Amino acid sequence: DGGITQSPKYLFRKEGQNVTLSCEQNLNHDAMYWYRQDPGQGLRLIYYSQIVNDFQKGDIAEGYSVSREKKESFPLTVTSAQKNPTAFYLCASSIGGGKETQYFGPGTRLLVL
Amino acid sequence: GQQVMQIPQYQHVQEGEDFTTYCNSSTTLSNIQWYKQRPGGHPVFLIQLVKSGEVKKQKRLTFQFGEAKKNSSLHITATQTTDVGTYFCAGSGSARQLTFGSGTQLTVLP
Repeated sequence: DGGITQSPKYLFRKEGQNVTLSCEQNLNHDAMYWYRQDPGQGLRLIYYSQIVNDFQKGDIAEGYSVSREKKESFPLTVTSAQKNPTAFYLCASSIGGGKETQYFGPGTRLLVL
Repeated sequence: GQQVMQIPQYQHVQEGEDFTTYCNSSTTLSNIQWYKQRPGGHPVFLIQLVKSGEVKKQKRLTFQFGEAKKNSSLHITATQTTDVGTYFCAGSGSARQLTFGSGTQLTVLP
């Protein structure tokens, strides 16, 4: 059954702590994306990767880091430098980059304790 | 940079009424996509428009792409409670990646 999985569904972060959100896809897609969604708002692009071992900053990359060591995986680390991390984080993938249709995972809700 | 604006931000309708959301880009788009996000869920792709003036229908949903390829609309005829959610447009043009609009949150009152 092909798709995108994200874990965990809910994540709690303490002040000063780094946390990593997982995103895995078995769709054989080249491109992967991370978005942040705040309540009642749209999707803001954090990072994207069009190919393994390469990634680019999106509109709100500060306080976040990513890696793309495998085609299937694109983990996002929310660092302690991100002062307002509480949000809904969505991972997506597409066959190629740019204009292609994006397929989203179920998301991870991050809450700060 | 490329910006995609969407209006209205919120819309409450009575079940059976029609609903329209509008999407406007600051630059010419090569294509526009529409997504639906149910409450608590994730965005799901609905449709893609590519040609100037293109109109596509999916049952009660009608999608249009403007002649200048800078605007688009989604119209739902006779809304149902299952239509509840947030509708996003997303366009690609000068930017290398899709730019999402801020979404229109639709509430359907029974």
